[in-house]
Amino acid sequence: SAVISQKPSRDICQRGTSLTIQCQVDSQVTMMFWYRQQPGQSLTLIATANQGSEATYESGFVIDKFPISRPNLTFSTLTVSNMSPEDSSIYLCSVGFLRGEKLFFGSGTQLSVL
Amino acid sequence: AQTVTQSQPEMSVQEAETVTLSCTYDTSESNYYLFWYKQPPSRQMILVIRQEAYKQQNATENRFSVNFQKAAKSFSLKISDSQLGDTAMYFCAFMTETSGSRLTFGEGTQLTVNP
Repeated sequence: SAVISQKPSRDICQRGTSLTIQCQVDSQVTMMFWYRQQPGQSLTLIATANQGSEATYESGFVIDKFPISRPNLTFSTLTVSNMSPEDSSIYLCSVGFLRGEKLFFGSGTQLSVL
Repeated sequence: AQTVTQSQPEMSVQEAETVTLSCTYDTSESNYYLFWYKQPPSRQMILVIRQEAYKQQNATENRFSVNFQKAAKSFSLKISDSQLGDTAMYFCAFMTETSGSRLTFGEGTQLTVNP
């Protein structure tokens, strides 16, 4: 089991600014992921956060827009850069211990960009 | 490409009755894992049930069970004795052995349990 603390839980930001979202886990995990959930839609994987190295991004997502850090096995950050209203979404951190096993999710960050 | 399809955007059921949510998927891999997650208004993603593709026996968790038809690539969720607390968005998802535990989600089905 894993308890995930994701901060902030929600934020309202101005166009052109950046927001950093934090994901803290109460135990060391093998895998950490960042997902985006646009309004009324399903979850889409942004990237896999790799400990001590650059994140692995999915098609359609780039490091300049969504820089990710993972300095250790319990913590990761996702930055949404140069925001536009199209970035208004829920961003979720997800972690896993073993391949094929379930993933645990944080409670998400509700981001609104004006 | 690996895809998950949920053809029912919305469903409703009366309290204490049974409801079945549909899910189909497509993959060329032989080893994979299937999941149903629920997301209530709190946004928290909660695992409902998990199925290993190489196991023929359908998974069950209390009131929740699945009908896994591997040849048809179908993975439906049955909820028995529906409760008001089951009202949520339900997502079907899967991961393959080679995906590094990356989950692919379906579009979701909004289930409403009526009193």
